[in-house]
Amino acid sequence: DAKTTQPPSMDCAEGRAANLPCNHSTISGNEYVYWYRQIHSQGPQYIIHGLKNNETNEMASLIITEDRKSSTLILPHATLRDTAVYYCIVPAGGTSYGKLTFGQGTILTVHP
Amino acid sequence: SQTIHQWPATLVQPVGSPLSLECTVEGTSNPNLYWYRQAAGRGLQLLFYSIGIDQISSEVPQNLSASRPQDRQFILSSKKLLLSDSGFYLCAWLPDRGRKGYTFGSGTRLTVV
Repeated sequence: DAKTTQPPSMDCAEGRAANLPCNHSTISGNEYVYWYRQIHSQGPQYIIHGLKNNETNEMASLIITEDRKSSTLILPHATLRDTAVYYCIVPAGGTSYGKLTFGQGTILTVHP
Repeated sequence: SQTIHQWPATLVQPVGSPLSLECTVEGTSNPNLYWYRQAAGRGLQLLFYSIGIDQISSEVPQNLSASRPQDRQFILSSKKLLLSDSGFYLCAWLPDRGRKGYTFGSGTRLTVV
């Protein structure tokens, strides 16, 4: 998998946007960027993924830079339930059938 | 509907005892299946993956083994547990051909004492 770098922790006030950065400078042209989150004592949950265009779904938005070397996950209105570890992953080989390598992720704490 | 089941939720086993964790998926056929482990305070580590019946690939050498006796069943086993086998074990699969990423089971928290 392409190596990803994320800050170890971030804080966000409830109701504000949470912007979680990820660097993936060695990403290849056909490799997707995936974001997952893991709430304490639960399995990881898929959030969103993208290749080169910005993506949005009911959970979040994903902004990928033009050179694809970094991306930002945006939770537009963070709630206390969004407190979790967020993982940015680039599966090897450009296929979603590839194995996932989870790093340490970013611990997001949403406070009142 | 497509679902993944994993059990038991928690397990406390003595050192040297055997282990069998089961994962099943419903609503699909020939899924890719994965076993991950998360040690306390650590990230997830891929242990095994399977692309079909009796087709198992091991990612790291360890005290564990995996089997896939049926298309939608994936089993994680050990003949003799070690203290270091403690952790949170997660089964995962890839529904909708990856259009919505991997789906993980609810996990089994194993404590070896």
